[in-house]
Amino acid sequence: GEDVEQSLFLSVREGDSSVINCTYTDSSSTYLYWYKQEPGAGLQLLTYIFSNMDMKQDQRLTVLLNKKDKHLSLRIADTQTGDSAIYFCAESIYSSASKIIFGSGTRLSIRP
Amino acid sequence: NAGVMQNPRHLVRRRGQEARLRCSPMKGHSHVYWYRQLPEEGLKFMVYLQKENIIDESGMPKERFSAEFPKEGPSILRIQQVVRGDSAAYFCASSPTGTGADTIYFGEGSWLTVV
Repeated sequence: GEDVEQSLFLSVREGDSSVINCTYTDSSSTYLYWYKQEPGAGLQLLTYIFSNMDMKQDQRLTVLLNKKDKHLSLRIADTQTGDSAIYFCAESIYSSASKIIFGSGTRLSIRP
Repeated sequence: NAGVMQNPRHLVRRRGQEARLRCSPMKGHSHVYWYRQLPEEGLKFMVYLQKENIIDESGMPKERFSAEFPKEGPSILRIQQVVRGDSAAYFCASSPTGTGADTIYFGEGSWLTVV
């Protein structure tokens, strides 16, 4: 079946690293994504990783993929107040006409 | 190059009325996807269309909802006889080929409120 799970909330101190975790169930996923959504706004694609990769780094963002455990994480280094948002993990199922399956989102809040 | 354009951004309808949401894909994109986001939830796939064809509508409610993507003009998501439970954000996305999913781009969303 197709399911993406993530915890609902995460609170971190400004300047610390944030780690948002996600698990998925479909082993045929091709791409795994992280999207950011600010209140009342659309989705911003932050980064994505192809399913045959283990890690991808892009400036303050590091994505780790453990395909065996079907676990994906997003690490945000030096978290800033502008990082406050909801972060969605998602996977694409290539066999299903490229539709993307989203998790319920993790709300990241930053405390001073 | 404009992104995926959705309108209206905000729409208020009374119960029983019809809601029409429009999506203009990015230039050169012939594949359109509609997603729904209920309050405090993630996005749920509704329908995938190419020009004049519905490819996958496995996420569409069986009644009252329909979608089209005509040869000319935007894609339309139509909700007839709206109910309070239809209140949500509706997101459209487009891609040029329908493969290589890293090229899917989302619009800013249309927020429907049913009163």
